[in-house]
Amino acid sequence: GAVVSQHPSWVICKSGTSVKIECRSLDFQATTMFWYRQFPKQSLMLMATSNEGSKATYEQGVEKDKFLINHASLTLSTLTVTSAHPEDSSFYICSASPQGRGSYNEQFFGPGTRLTVL
Amino acid sequence: QKEVEQDPGPLSVPEGAIVSLNCTYSNSAFQYFMWYRQYSRKGPELLMYTYSSGNKEDGRFTAQVDKSSKYISLFIRDSQPSDSATYLCAMRTDSWGKLQFGAGTQVVVTP
Repeated sequence: GAVVSQHPSWVICKSGTSVKIECRSLDFQATTMFWYRQFPKQSLMLMATSNEGSKATYEQGVEKDKFLINHASLTLSTLTVTSAHPEDSSFYICSASPQGRGSYNEQFFGPGTRLTVL
Repeated sequence: QKEVEQDPGPLSVPEGAIVSLNCTYSNSAFQYFMWYRQYSRKGPELLMYTYSSGNKEDGRFTAQVDKSSKYISLFIRDSQPSDSATYLCAMRTDSWGKLQFGAGTQVVVTP
């Protein structure tokens, strides 16, 4: 149980285009979903936290107008990278926390999406 | 200074050896300590979770937390080639707080 999927697993796009990445919790309902970015040989950096039905909370330095997050249901969150540029090329990983599951809020991670902007 | 420091490696060990990994941190408010395993081009997978100080053992894995020294460790006994991965430490101040990750240590177990 506790499987999180992401789609697509990799995407290549041209500079200036927008890219949407989906994150789904397959066998549980996720009250909260998180979006991370990971550059090669670096740690996961939290970009934003989203709760179903409310606006996402962005970390300092993350442009909310560039990285649009929608958490429309308890099983789906989307991240849209608008007007992507080469510096946005990275590995984007989402995680999801089950609704009301124990006292420890475990995050289950998706497999990641590799974005390459040409 | 980063809140969580972790040597990126790579750490190469022969099969059957003990793998020793560690992280140091600066925020004394951290209460929850986790170790994740991440295979190449995959998302992290939770291996061990410890609350406050002490040791925790699960099969071949042992996690230790020394809050007085702000130092956590993960030991992998009888290492296997399948243990080759990047190991990330992570910590948070409360059960619902933001996870703060270390940079990850790449481990290579050679047959």
